[in-house]
Amino acid sequence: EPEVTQTPSHQVTQMGQEVILRCVPISNHLYFYWYRQILGQKVEFLVSFYNNEISEKSEIFDDQFSVERPDGSNFTLKIRSTKLEDSAMYFCASSKNLAGGGETQYFGPGTRLLVL
Amino acid sequence: SQKIEQNSEALNIQEGKTATLTCNYTNYSPAYLQWYRQDPGRGPVFLLLIRENEKEKRKERLKVTFDTTLKQSLFHITASQPADSATYLCALRGNAGNMLTFGGGTRLMVKP
Repeated sequence: EPEVTQTPSHQVTQMGQEVILRCVPISNHLYFYWYRQILGQKVEFLVSFYNNEISEKSEIFDDQFSVERPDGSNFTLKIRSTKLEDSAMYFCASSKNLAGGGETQYFGPGTRLLVL
Repeated sequence: SQKIEQNSEALNIQEGKTATLTCNYTNYSPAYLQWYRQDPGRGPVFLLLIRENEKEKRKERLKVTFDTTLKQSLFHITASQPADSATYLCALRGNAGNMLTFGGGTRLMVKP
């Protein structure tokens, strides 16, 4: 069964450094998402992406964050200058569409980001 | 403000019994609701989706109900097994936008 994959599984970085988290969504899916989960807290929406542009973003997704689909298979989340509070598990998700039976969002295994 | 509440206390049940988990929401008009399973350190795994115009959905040992008047969904696992032990998350999507809003999850422990 097709799966969303993410790399790396773990990333440790120094505060102020840039990180890029990578995702390969399910191949025939058109909508891509990033969520994060701080340890012990709820899963929180960051951003959704469709047709090479952001379709929706939350308050968390400020100017330090950006997303890109650099080629036909990868979807990336960049954090420009990491802060301690960016430490969390970051999940990529994808869905086929928004309705009509294809709206289910399938999640990847996550990247655990630790900012020191 | 919008709220999605799941029982934050762990639910402990005996193997073979039916587990029932609750998801309540306020100030929300969801287009649909999804249930996910999450194991420690892993991503949410999709289980079931139920739409606003559906009352009940089943898949093998799983059953979800959705009452938009009570603003509540119930998630049932029948004939529970120790392998069902995990945290179960409910997530709602509204009629506008495509973001999912998650509850805090309920941890289920099934004892042999």
